[in-house]
Amino acid sequence: NAGVTQTPKFRVLKTGQSMTLLCAQDMNHEYMYWYRQDPGMGLRLIHYSVGEGTTAKGEVPDGYNVSRLKKQNFLLGLESAAPSQTSVYFCASGQLPYEQYFGPGTRLTVT
Amino acid sequence: KQEVTQIPAALSVPEGENLVLNCSFTDSAIYNLQWFRQDPGKGLTSLLLIQSSQREQTSGRLNASLDKSSGRSTLYIAASQPGDSATYLCAVVSSNTGKLIFGQGTTLQVKP
Repeated sequence: NAGVTQTPKFRVLKTGQSMTLLCAQDMNHEYMYWYRQDPGMGLRLIHYSVGEGTTAKGEVPDGYNVSRLKKQNFLLGLESAAPSQTSVYFCASGQLPYEQYFGPGTRLTVT
Repeated sequence: KQEVTQIPAALSVPEGENLVLNCSFTDSAIYNLQWFRQDPGKGLTSLLLIQSSQREQTSGRLNASLDKSSGRSTLYIAASQPGDSATYLCAVVSSNTGKLIFGQGTTLQVKP
């Protein structure tokens, strides 16, 4: 039982490049979330999903897209990366909306 | 809009001290409040969850209290140890949105 895993752990992008972050969970959770964590800002919700095939916007969705084609996976895409998207990205999942299990994070730098 | 604030932002104490971390929130319409621990370069680990109807929760040397009417929670750590060094995050689940709203965190250093 691996819990919540995130791929990759680190990535450096140039402005304008695209990439996809993968979150996978093996706990059969319905709810999945993507957050970003910036210094002095705490964690902010980007997008979330309440089940396979569903997605919804969080607090800071601009510049990101998501997909939940399979229940166990939640993908976060950056179509045209900007330096403002330099951050640590956390994925979380839960069977109930208020119980979330977090992945180890992806550290992204956009130059 | 719900806002969560944690004071202080950083704290350094000698080993063995009892300490209190503070969390305040602006909207008392919460479903629950949670305290998380984050080690450097790692994800978040849930420490304690207090339902809105509860006043406190305890786990080992940790005790968290909740005063919903005043919008405050405290995390009490007894007999602190160097292994307690980490960032502690407070988060509330809004009754209106069902989403977790995080504070900025308090970074704790316990010196041997």
